[in-house]
Amino acid sequence: DIQMTQSPSSLSASVGDRVTLTCRASQSIRSYLNWYQQKPGKAPKLLIYGASSLQSGVPSRFSGSGSGTDFTLTISSLQPEDFVTYYCQQSFSMPRTFGQGTKLEIK
Amino acid sequence: EVQLVESGGGLAQPGGFLRLSCEASGFIFNNYNMNWVRQAPGKGLEWVSYISPSSPASSHTIYYAASVKGRFTISRDNAKNSLYLQMNSLRDEDTAVYYCARQSNTGLYDMDVWGLGTTVIVSS
Repeated sequence: DIQMTQSPSSLSASVGDRVTLTCRASQSIRSYLNWYQQKPGKAPKLLIYGASSLQSGVPSRFSGSGSGTDFTLTISSLQPEDFVTYYCQQSFSMPRTFGQGTKLEIK
Repeated sequence: EVQLVESGGGLAQPGGFLRLSCEASGFIFNNYNMNWVRQAPGKGLEWVSYISPSSPASSHTIYYAASVKGRFTISRDNAKNSLYLQMNSLRDEDTAVYYCARQSNTGLYDMDVWGLGTTVIVSS
């Protein structure tokens, strides 16, 4: 199975900051990497698919990059509603696997 | 509106069973691969199972997580726009919110539509 490792597990930042979240795969997954946002008590929401494609309706302050084993999710200017949890997920092979999540907290 | 609505969650005893359902609307259900994903209380997301849309039923491609293989069975009824998860031999560690999720048709296998989830509690 492909293991996905996110770092950091939590991150303190302020509104307006630019932040970068990292996700690493245990083997190459080419560009089969997706990012989800989850608000407390809610279902996950797809933000980025194929490592860098922005899902329809997602604000342009979110962007993704990377290929192979190393990926990043960048939020260019944090808004109050962005302080939630983010998960990466590989869709290269079965079983699908998620990272453990990164929780964004207000500083 | 594209929508997935899960049902069937509840309280079950260890060793017991439950059947979850997910009703799809707003899109052509039998054009999409479908997944179940779960989240234990306070934990991260765990993919559970996948089924392709092919019919007849014997042609479906199906995958399971190792943690549920042999105990859970995924199925679908395209005529009813519904996805199912039969959960047998339930364990405490199966306690979670269970989401159904649509695999997109981008060719990148992301999950672009999620239901609100249904809660399963396994406890004596």
